Amino acid sequence: KQEVTQIPAALSVPEGENLVLNCSFTDSAIYNLQWFRQDPGKGLTSLLLIQSSQREQTSGRLNASLDKSSGRSTLYIAASQPGDSATYLCAVPPPGGSQGNLIFGKGTKLSVKP
Amino acid sequence: DTGVSQDPRHKITKRGQNVTFRCDPISEHNRLYWYRQTLGQGPEFLTYFQNEAQLEKSRLLSDRFSAERPKGSFSTLEIQRTEQGDSAMYLCASSLGADPSTDTQYFGPGTRLTVL
Repeated sequence: KQEVTQIPAALSVPEGENLVLNCSFTDSAIYNLQWFRQDPGKGLTSLLLIQSSQREQTSGRLNASLDKSSGRSTLYIAASQPGDSATYLCAVPPPGGSQGNLIFGKGTKLSVKP
Repeated sequence: DTGVSQDPRHKITKRGQNVTFRCDPISEHNRLYWYRQTLGQGPEFLTYFQNEAQLEKSRLLSDRFSAERPKGSFSTLEIQRTEQGDSAMYLCASSLGADPSTDTQYFGPGTRLTVL
């Protein structure tokens, strides 16, 4: 059974700092890994999708890496801003399956202080 | 706005009542998913559709829950005889459903259900 863990559960940093969020998964037979952002009381916004054949993906100040063999992904946020404050979730499809339903971690709640 | 929409955004009901939620996916998206999210947790998969066919249901989806996607367009999720434990955010997502390695799911704003 696939399990997704995110560490830390919460993180507070001053504005301008670079930071790393971690995601680990127990079964490496995945098609891809997605990172999402969720603002309080809102739906999820897709940030990045890394295919299983890729090592990293970049979008603006965000860089996500994937190491399938070790079951780990990181989301790097450069020059953090107060507007980055949100909960960040990672998710993977079931191992080896094409069903498409995602298995989520519990998220990391990020707070960027001005 | 061409994103995923959900209605209503908030629903307060009394225990034992039936509720129905609606989701309109991004047009031309073949797949539609329902998830449930409780406070402090990540979303949990409930069910998904490929066009009008319901292909998978989680064991979380008890017999009080039913979902439909007539004609492969919008979808409804109905909860009968609601219980306080049903209080949660119900999220809908859609995707093209073509290549599983690149299939990005796009989420709606969710429906917040409170059962009194």
